[in-house]
Amino acid sequence: QKEVEQDPGPLSVPEGAIVSLNCTYSNSAFQYFMWYRQYSRKGPELLMYTYSSGNKEDGRFTAQVDKSSKYISLFIRDSQPSDSATYLCAMRNTGFQKLVFGTGTRLLVSP
Amino acid sequence: DGGITQSPKYLFRKEGQNVTLSCEQNLNHDAMYWYRQDPGQGLRLIYYSQIVNDFQKGDIAEGYSVSREKKESFPLTVTSAQKNPTAFYLCASNPGNYGYTFGSGTRLTVV
Repeated sequence: QKEVEQDPGPLSVPEGAIVSLNCTYSNSAFQYFMWYRQYSRKGPELLMYTYSSGNKEDGRFTAQVDKSSKYISLFIRDSQPSDSATYLCAMRNTGFQKLVFGTGTRLLVSP
Repeated sequence: DGGITQSPKYLFRKEGQNVTLSCEQNLNHDAMYWYRQDPGQGLRLIYYSQIVNDFQKGDIAEGYSVSREKKESFPLTVTSAQKNPTAFYLCASNPGNYGYTFGSGTRLTVV
């Protein structure tokens, strides 16, 4: 079993929809949780960074962490065609710098 | 602008040949990483370095080598011992307590 599980998709939605992307993990020591967006043939870019449980909002993006369920989510409101990309979750322990990545979910937002 | 520069963008390797991928950062980050990305497998850690003149093997180090003689530079050599080198290679750096910053990647193809 992988340490971080993420549905590869693709997830296809119409423009304006609310998108929910999710990851589950098995290591209860993970404390820092991140979401990256990766466009085709580009490097990932950091979207959201959260510590421990709770919600964090940035514009149209909301990151949610439920440590009791070992489950993290990224919500995208009013999705746009420019949001079409692969979204990677990543997480790590306290004081341990190596990130563990999910395999990524490919999102397609149609006009 | 601060960031990570990877070169070349595309690289072709003949059988039995060693090739070196360049990674330079001007972010003054101590930690640097090399990842390999294959379709459906997410990011896999090859090598990482937390300080100059020191580096550690990641999960898939066989057939690769690195050096860290300067803080700004972390080149990756793909040796002839790497039997399946065709992939997208990503370099990243980390200031210590945040998410990674990635370069734009090098696509290596065996011809």
